[in-house]
Amino acid sequence: AQKVTQAQTEISVVEKEDVTLDCVYETRDTTYYLFWYKQPPSGELVFLIRRNSFDEQNEISGRYSWNFQKSTSSFNFTITASQVVDSAVYFCALSEADSNYQLIWGAGTKLIIKP
Amino acid sequence: EPEVTQTPSHQVTQMGQEVILRCVPISNHLYFYWYRQILGQKVEFLVSFYNNEISEKSEIFDDQFSVERPDGSNFTLKIRSTKLEDSAMYFCASSVRLGEGNQPQHFGDGTRLSIL
Repeated sequence: AQKVTQAQTEISVVEKEDVTLDCVYETRDTTYYLFWYKQPPSGELVFLIRRNSFDEQNEISGRYSWNFQKSTSSFNFTITASQVVDSAVYFCALSEADSNYQLIWGAGTKLIIKP
Repeated sequence: EPEVTQTPSHQVTQMGQEVILRCVPISNHLYFYWYRQILGQKVEFLVSFYNNEISEKSEIFDDQFSVERPDGSNFTLKIRSTKLEDSAMYFCASSVRLGEGNQPQHFGDGTRLSIL
């Protein structure tokens, strides 16, 4: 069973639209961390955010916002007013004590922002 | 800002040859990791390393793989006899602490390994 599910394989929107990337996770740990990483076409992994399981406060950073809901085991990522430079593959990842805090990755969502 | 650095950025090797991928973690970090990403697929955990020994490894990390911290700065991944399916991007990561304190793992830019 997938521990981290990113059901959207690819999303394509026109610039300036808002877009939400979904992430659903599965864990039995009470202490865990959730991450989002961006992988642009150049291939590197760029850290965007981490969240621990005890902090359900949503977070906003510029055009990026994250909605963490333990009740639905989801950690969704929204980009408002998308820009072409946002085009990348976005990965959601889970880190749990049971797995010695290794990162367990979702399959990624390829986001295409058209001008 | 300190970075994890990986060399080389691209390695081309004949099947069956040994290859060593090198990483210099951030200097005050204590936990080191290797991940692999086959082209177009998700990132997969290979191994974590702490206090000069492997703390966790995945099923992918079989006897063909080994890791070493030969000196105070480098962290290497060796593949003893490469196979075509080892072709992937290999990412090194490091972190200060294990999990606690919300420490993210800092990633290098990766080494693209191509096996011919």
